[in-house]
Amino acid sequence: SQKIEQNSEALNIQEGKTATLTCNYTNYSPAYLQWYRQDPGRGPVFLLLIRENEKEKRKERLKVTFDTTLKQSLFHITASQPADSATYLCAMDSNYQLIWGAGTKLIIKP
Amino acid sequence: DVKVTQSSRYLVKRTGEKVFLECVQDMDHENMFWYRQDPGLGLRLIYFSYDVKMKEKGDIPEGYSVSREKKERFSLILESASTNQTSMYLCASSFAGGTNEQFFGPGTRLTVL
Repeated sequence: SQKIEQNSEALNIQEGKTATLTCNYTNYSPAYLQWYRQDPGRGPVFLLLIRENEKEKRKERLKVTFDTTLKQSLFHITASQPADSATYLCAMDSNYQLIWGAGTKLIIKP
Repeated sequence: DVKVTQSSRYLVKRTGEKVFLECVQDMDHENMFWYRQDPGLGLRLIYFSYDVKMKEKGDIPEGYSVSREKKERFSLILESASTNQTSMYLCASSFAGGTNEQFFGPGTRLTVL
C-alpha cells in the first residue's frame, strides 16, 4: 500500500543553521508533494507544494526538493529561528485524498 | 481571510454518548475532510465529501458517520462514543480539481471517559 514516512525523532538545530527534514514515499508515484507546519494544539497550515516535474521550489527561507528516483522530498529552512520550531508534515496526493506522514518535530535552539 | 471553524476546541463525553462535531468553511470549497490525529500516527482520514450530500469512507470510518446537507458545513457523528475515540479531530477543506491544498480548522480535542 501507499506509504509516506518522516523521521519520527525530533530534530534539534542551532539558531541560524539550516534545518533539513526528510520525507520518503513508497509504492506510489505522486503528482505532487505538499509540506505543512503544525503548532501544538492547532491544525496544520499549508507551506509549499512541489510537482513531480519540479526539482526545487523556494519561498523566502524555505526550500523543497523532489527526487522521483530516490522517492524523496527534502524540506530546508535556512537561517533558522526559534519561531520555526514546530512539527512539519509532508503529504502526497492520492485521488481525492492526501496521504500524510506522521510529521517531524523541529526544535530550534537559541 | 479564509477560515475553517470547528464547533468546540475541547469536549469531554461519556462512553456511549452520541457526539456531534461540526465544521464550517467560508471558502466555497467543494471538498471537506474529517481526520483524527494521534501521537505517532499522523493524520488518518475518517470520511471525506466532495459535494453536498456526497460522502466517501476514508481509512478509519468504523464507529463514525458524517452529514453534509450544505456546502459549507460537514458534521462528524460518533454514534456511541468509546474510549478509543479519544483523540484530536481535525476538519479540512479544499477546492475540487486543484492540487488539494487543504485548509484546516483549529481542531477539537475529544476525551471520552
